[in-house]
Amino acid sequence: GAGVSQSPSNKVTEKGKDVELRCDPISGHTALYWYRQSLGQGLEFLIYFQGNSAPDKSGLPSDRFSAERTGGSVSTLTIQRTQQEDSAVYLCASSLNPAGRTGELFFGEGSRLTVL
Amino acid sequence: KNQVEQSPQSLIILEGKNCTLQCNYTVSPFSNLRWYKQDTGRGPVSLTIMTFSENTKSNGRYTATLDADTKQSSLHITASQLSDSASYICVVSASGGSYIPTFGRGTSLIVHP
Repeated sequence: GAGVSQSPSNKVTEKGKDVELRCDPISGHTALYWYRQSLGQGLEFLIYFQGNSAPDKSGLPSDRFSAERTGGSVSTLTIQRTQQEDSAVYLCASSLNPAGRTGELFFGEGSRLTVL
Repeated sequence: KNQVEQSPQSLIILEGKNCTLQCNYTVSPFSNLRWYKQDTGRGPVSLTIMTFSENTKSNGRYTATLDADTKQSSLHITASQLSDSASYICVVSASGGSYIPTFGRGTSLIVHP
């Protein structure tokens, strides 16, 4: 596609349920990032994938959060046993990341998660 | 610890006026600095990139400056328009293999008619 695609755009769930958020990056982009943005706040880094390398999970807030990237393309962010404080917009970004430097991040429109 | 601080946190101006947003960073070793614009309900979009050797760069009514010695950057918006209402985020990347950029918290700009 022309840009980063995320789904669903909106998700309302009950506390304790599991949710999956999907990100389809720009074709050819080897790097993929997940961020969380709570209402009125800045972007919080969650996880980073680069090619076939092991992901950098240093930003995941708890073991309820996990993510995978299949075939170096589509990524899924899973939140287990959701809590109300998980309510936020989850943004995905992809980048070319030429060797030695971080390239421009291209963001999707985000998935807005509301936990009741 | 790598940090990016932005000021002001929020700003309200009248349409047609100019404004300047500030960004101070402690990211090292420095690779590049980008300003992103995030419209409400949308993902951020890059406005400009500054590398170590660049002092100023313009993109239409947006002009970014970089002082690598003092580790400061500014984004100047000329003749503001209602569509400039958004959050402006300063993002600094390090060199040497770290591909996780450091984000500022953003400046929320509101342009009133």
